[in-house]
Amino acid sequence: DAKTTQPPSMDCAEGRAANLPCNHSTISGNEYVYWYRQIHSQGPQYIIHGLKNNETNEMASLIITEDRKSSTLILPHATLRDTAVYYCIVRAPTINTGTASKLTFGTGTRLQVTL
Amino acid sequence: DTGVSQDPRHKITKRGQNVTFRCDPISEHNRLYWYRQTLGQGPEFLTYFQNEAQLEKSRLLSDRFSAERPKGSFSTLEIQRTEQGDSAMYLCASTLRASAQETQYFGPGTRLLVL
Repeated sequence: DAKTTQPPSMDCAEGRAANLPCNHSTISGNEYVYWYRQIHSQGPQYIIHGLKNNETNEMASLIITEDRKSSTLILPHATLRDTAVYYCIVRAPTINTGTASKLTFGTGTRLQVTL
Repeated sequence: DTGVSQDPRHKITKRGQNVTFRCDPISEHNRLYWYRQTLGQGPEFLTYFQNEAQLEKSRLLSDRFSAERPKGSFSTLEIQRTEQGDSAMYLCASTLRASAQETQYFGPGTRLLVL
């Protein structure tokens, strides 16, 4: 799986949009971009994933550049509850049931939302 | 959908003791993963089950570690002769089935402290 690069930390004012960047310049054509977050002392929480097109769900939007070498996770109106470590992960699709689709986590971006 | 559950949430033990953790995946999820997370790092893959079959193990899983999923539902992770280096958060994740866009859902984790 391709490696990702994220800034170690970011700050965002409550109510503003939080834009979290991720570089994945070695991504392959069939690899997906996944985002998870981990609030202190809890298990990782799935946020969103995408392949080529931009994606949006109730939690966030994912913008993937045309060359797929980078992406941005957007939390449109950050709240204090969004303070967490955000992980960007690139993962190949599962080929068969005998293959583990393990997630390779980096150290992520620590997002601090402030009043 | 009650989510992935793990028990206990916290465990303190003395070096040399054996410990066992339990993971209950989301109902009907047939793929189950164990990860370990040390302080300041992202989770690292340990092992994977497809139904009751353990199909992949990481090199992190020394011979003191054993995992089972006897009936293809809940899973246990046992650590024998614990060492201080085993202190970490142990996370379990499950997915419904193999697919190109397989999404793993994590439990809250079991935090182990070896004294």
